[in-house]
Amino acid sequence: DIQMTQSPSSLSASVGDRVTITCRASQDISNSLAWYQQKSGKVPKLLIYAASTLQSGVPSRFSGSGSGTDFTLTISSLQPEDVATYYCQKYNSAPRTFGQGTKVEI
Amino acid sequence: EVQLVESGGGLVQPGGSLRLSCAASGFPFSTYWMHWVRQAPGKGLVWVSRINTDGSNTVYVDSVKGRFTISRDNAKNTLYLQMNSLRAEDTAVYYCASGTPVTRGAFDIWGPGTGVTVSS
Repeated sequence: DIQMTQSPSSLSASVGDRVTITCRASQDISNSLAWYQQKSGKVPKLLIYAASTLQSGVPSRFSGSGSGTDFTLTISSLQPEDVATYYCQKYNSAPRTFGQGTKVEI
Repeated sequence: EVQLVESGGGLVQPGGSLRLSCAASGFPFSTYWMHWVRQAPGKGLVWVSRINTDGSNTVYVDSVKGRFTISRDNAKNTLYLQMNSLRAEDTAVYYCASGTPVTRGAFDIWGPGTGVTVSS
């Protein structure tokens, strides 16, 4: 099975900072990569699919890039409401493995 | 309104069984692949299982193979997860989820989750 590895596992940044989270697949998954945001006690929310396509309603400060095995989620200017845990997920085939998550704090 | 609502969670003893349900509305349920995802307390998301549109093909994460069974009733717009031989490590919030054609399978539909606690 393909493994998904995120880094870092947690980070602390200031409001307005540019934040980058990486996700690495153990095998080529083309662009079948999604990013989710989960705030404390809430249901996960889809941010980005197909590696770089912003889900409707998601602020433009979020962006995704990459293909194959290496992917990046970028928050261009961190806002207080972005405090959350972020997960990547491969969805080209089962098992649709999630990364272990990256906790973002301010 | 597109909606998924899970039910059936609760407290069960180790070795026991539970059946979770997920009621779907607001979208053509019978044409969507459906999934279960779980999250243990304080831990990350874990994909558990997937079923295709007519129920003829199912896949499971290794940790639940042989113990959990995913199924669906398209006439009732309902997804199920039969969980047998439950273990303490199955304690989690269980979400049903799916992806619309727009997102090409990424999960843009989630239920609020139902909690399962396995403890004596």
